[in-house]
Formats: sequence, C-alpha cells, structure tokens
Amino acid sequence: QKEVEQNSGPLSVPEGAIASLNCTYSDRGSQSFFWYRQYSGKSPELIMFIYSNGDKEDGRFTAQLNKASQYVSLLIRDSQPSDSATYLCAPHLAGSARQLTFGSGTQLTVLP
Amino acid sequence: EAGVTQSPTHLIKTRGQQATLRCSPISGHTSVYWYQQALGLGLQFLLWYDEGEERNRGNFPPRFSGRQFPNYSSELNVNALELEDSALYLCASSLAYERAGVADTQYFGPGTRLTVL
Repeated sequence: QKEVEQNSGPLSVPEGAIASLNCTYSDRGSQSFFWYRQYSGKSPELIMFIYSNGDKEDGRFTAQLNKASQYVSLLIRDSQPSDSATYLCAPHLAGSARQLTFGSGTQLTVLP
Repeated sequence: EAGVTQSPTHLIKTRGQQATLRCSPISGHTSVYWYQQALGLGLQFLLWYDEGEERNRGNFPPRFSGRQFPNYSSELNVNALELEDSALYLCASSLAYERAGVADTQYFGPGTRLTVL
C-alpha cells in the first residue's frame, strides 16, 4: 500500500462546478496536511494546509480532514479554467523528520 | 519578499559528468529541502538541510549529495550522472521550528531542469 494515494485522474469538471479531490494516507500519526497546485512544467505552489479534523475554508478552496478515516480532501468551488492543474496532497507523516511525502497528484481540467 | 530562488534554470550534461544545482531560501528560513520530480512521476524527497547539517535523506544513492552554507543557501551535487537522473529538481525552504510535531509550511522554488544526454 502506498503511503499517500490520490486518484490520478484526469478529473474534468465544467466551469463553475465544484471539483472534489481526494487523498488517503497510511500513517495514523500524520498531523499536518498540505495541498499544493502544480501547473505543467512549473513548481508546486501552496494552496492551503490543515491540521485539525473538520473543514477549513480559504476563498474558493475548502480542505476537509478526517483523521479517523485517514482521509483528506480539497474542494474547489466555482471552478475556473485557470484551476486546471495537478493537485498534490502532502501529509507530513509522523516519524518522517520534516520532509513531506507527496501523493502522485490528481490532474484537474476545468472545461470552459 | 523574495521567494525561493534556484539556479540554473536549465542544465544539460552528459552521462558520467557532475551537476551542481543551487538554491537560496526565503529570507528567515533556515531549512532547505531538495526533491526530484522525474517526468510523469511524483515528487521524491532527496535531502533536508537545517542549520548547516544534513538532517535526513531519501532513498537515493550516495552520488546525490549536497551542503548548506552559513547563509542557509544550499547546493545539490549529482555525481556520475545517469540518464535516469534527468528530472526537475526542486528546492523548498521552511522556518526552522516545528510546532508540537506539526510540520512547517514548505515553499518551493521554480526548479532546475536537468537533462542528461
């Protein structure tokens, strides 16, 4: 079992819809979770992070964390074509020092 | 505030040569991380430096090495280059402290694309 699993996609949604990106992780000791967006050929840019169970909202983005289910998700409301990118989930796994363990990413395409 | 910077942007080498990649962290950040992203693959952790010391390394051979300078900038060296070393090499930086086991946010530089011919 991979430490971090994401659906690779591609996930296509129409403009204005809600895009839902999911991530599961294997290490129950994980405490912090990061979502990055990566455009093709570019470096990852931080979208948001979440530490506590529940929802955390930042503009059009909402991160949801359920530690009991070892599940973290990212919702993008009112999706725009500019949101088309690969979204990387990165839990900080307990005992992994301080590097992040990245999932393989979900490729999102927002159709105009 | 300037972000993480990396140089060069692109680097072309031949098999067997050595490559040196450089990274300057965000001002005030003392931790530097190196990641490799081969085409079509995810980010793989390479090395973590903090306060001039190597704190952890990923599952890479010893020909991948580096160092961190007193000004917290860092260098990644790849010796005896192989074709499969062709990848985007990303540097990230973060603040020094870790709060109660919660990782601090890492910010990425633009990357160096290494091509080995």
